[in-house]
Amino acid sequence: QVQLQESGPGLVKPSQTLSLTCTLSGASMRNGGYFWSWIRQHPGKGLEWIGYIDYSGSTSYNPSLKSRVTISEDTSKRRFSLRLSSVTAADTAVYYCAREGEDGQGGFDSWGQGTLVIVSS
Amino acid sequence: DIQMTQSPSSLSASVGDRVTITCQASQDIVNYLNWYQQKPGKAPKLLIYDASSLETGVPSRFSGGGSGTDFTFTISRLQPEDFATYYCQQYDDVPRTFGQGTKVEIK
Repeated sequence: QVQLQESGPGLVKPSQTLSLTCTLSGASMRNGGYFWSWIRQHPGKGLEWIGYIDYSGSTSYNPSLKSRVTISEDTSKRRFSLRLSSVTAADTAVYYCAREGEDGQGGFDSWGQGTLVIVSS
Repeated sequence: DIQMTQSPSSLSASVGDRVTITCQASQDIVNYLNWYQQKPGKAPKLLIYDASSLETGVPSRFSGGGSGTDFTFTISRLQPEDFATYYCQQYDDVPRTFGQGTKVEIK
């Protein structure tokens, strides 16, 4: 049973870069053909997909954030990371990492507990 | 982007009621549609994948249907633990997109 855990600063200053890490236990990123995503939820709002890195290391990003987002992997340490540059208050949200089924099929079946990131000076 | 429109945005129901939520995609997504439950302060939980397949361990009172652009999610007999917000999500294309959510409240 895979478990995911987000970590990173809970407070980021405007114009700086938000950096979060998702650490896996019970699974490896390169086994099973899964996609590994970041998803965020603004306070009291719905869910927004940020992007994924797949089992081969290929990435896909939401066009609305693409110019500011980088998702990378550290397979040896079983973790993947999110970097979001030039943040503003609009980036304040709960950030989740999640696993999507093999070859992007079947839904986000495992999630981290989420981490709140506040953008404020 | 594929737009997902859920309705209603909220509803009030009683324990034992049958509840149905609809989700409409802005284009044909075949059956590439999932449903999630989210409780306050918690991550979403996958309930239904591929429009109608029940995720392992999810009670059979939850069901889903539809194809193309129109989908439904049903709770056959609402239980106290089912009061939550429900989201549909498409994976026919990137970016993955979610409906705006349906909050199921106690009447």
